[in-house]
Parts: sequence; C-alpha cells; structure tokens
Amino acid sequence: DFVMTQTPLFSPVTLGQPASISCRSSQSLVHSDGNTYLSWLQQRPGQPPRLLIYKISNRFSGVPDRFSGSGAGTDFTLKISRVEAEDVGVYYCMQATQPYTFGQGTKLEIK
Amino acid sequence: QVQLVQSGAEVRKPGASVRVSCKASGYTFSTYYINWVRQAPGQGLEWMGIINPSGGSTTYAQKFQGRVTMTRDTSTSTVYMELSGLTSEDTAVYYCARSRGADYWGQGTLVTVSS
Repeated sequence: DFVMTQTPLFSPVTLGQPASISCRSSQSLVHSDGNTYLSWLQQRPGQPPRLLIYKISNRFSGVPDRFSGSGAGTDFTLKISRVEAEDVGVYYCMQATQPYTFGQGTKLEIK
Repeated sequence: QVQLVQSGAEVRKPGASVRVSCKASGYTFSTYYINWVRQAPGQGLEWMGIINPSGGSTTYAQKFQGRVTMTRDTSTSTVYMELSGLTSEDTAVYYCARSRGADYWGQGTLVTVSS
C-alpha cells in the first residue's frame, strides 16, 4: 500500500508570511500512463475538502495563485506564498495513482 | 455548475446498514468516476472506493471489501454507497467526490452508529 507522510502536522504561521507543507510517498506516484496523480486539498473548519492542486502543480479553477505545488516521484511540496486568514484549516495530500491514499493532514493556523 | 448533493444525516444501531446517496448535476454524469471518502470525528480522510457511473464497475478499499456496495442510477444521475455491519467505528461524515482528482465534493453526510 502507498503510505503518504506529511510534515509538519502542525504549522503556525504569521499573516503575510509563507508556509510550506511536505508530502512523501512510500512508493513512486508515477502512473503507467505517465501522469503523477498527486493532489492537495484544503479543509476549512466545518467544510468539506476542496481541491487546490492536481497532478503535482496544476491549480484548480478559482484557486488563488499564492498556492503552488511542486515535486516529483515520491516527494512533493505545497507552498503558500503569503498566508491569509482564510487559509486556516487542514491540508491533505492525496495520491490517486494506486488507488487512493491521503496524508495525515497538516493543520495550519495563524500565530 | 457542477454540484454533488448528498442525502441527509442518518442514525443506525450497531449491526445495521446505511445507504447514502450522491446526486450529480451540472455535467455529463457518465464521464466522471465518483469516489467515496469518510472522515471520523476529529480524524483525517479515508478513501472507501470508487465507481464508474458509465458501466457501474467498482473498486473498493481492502478495508471495506465485503461490507460496502457502490451502485449508480443513470436515470437520476445518482450514486449510492451502502455500508453494512455497522459498528461505532463507522460513525463518520461520508463524502462523495468527483473524478480521479477529487475536484468537486458533496457536502457530506453524517452517519451516527449508536445503540
């Protein structure tokens, strides 16, 4: 089974400052079709998850450009260039290569 | 616009079954897979399985095999997730999510298992 490990699990950030979350997979996420199905989701308190980034680095419709994704193979990163108050919540990485697994979640809060 | 609207909260006794629905609109139903994901209180996300609305084929997470059944009704653009043999550990919010990238999510359905 694919195990997804996120770090840190808790991230206190000052408004306007950057934030970064890492996600490491136990196996390569490169699918046989050549794609890497690694997504990032945001879950605000009391809300369903929301897709931010798909296939490593593609921002979903309506997602602010302060969110960016990068990485390859087994190591991936979500970056927020300048954290805003509305970014508070839990962030999950998700692999959909074989079949689906989520990271444990990273709780982002404002200092 | 794309919407996934789920059925309302359910309460069940241990050993019972529950069926949750997810009605899709705003796109061609048969062209996107639907995932089911659950979240226990205060916990993370757990993938349960996926259904192809086009032919009805399914893939279930090993943990739920034998206990979960996912079906679809193309006439109403609705997918269903039925979970049997409920225990208190199945108390969770159950979500449907569209496609491999989980691009759109339902609002969630709280299932409470309590005697």
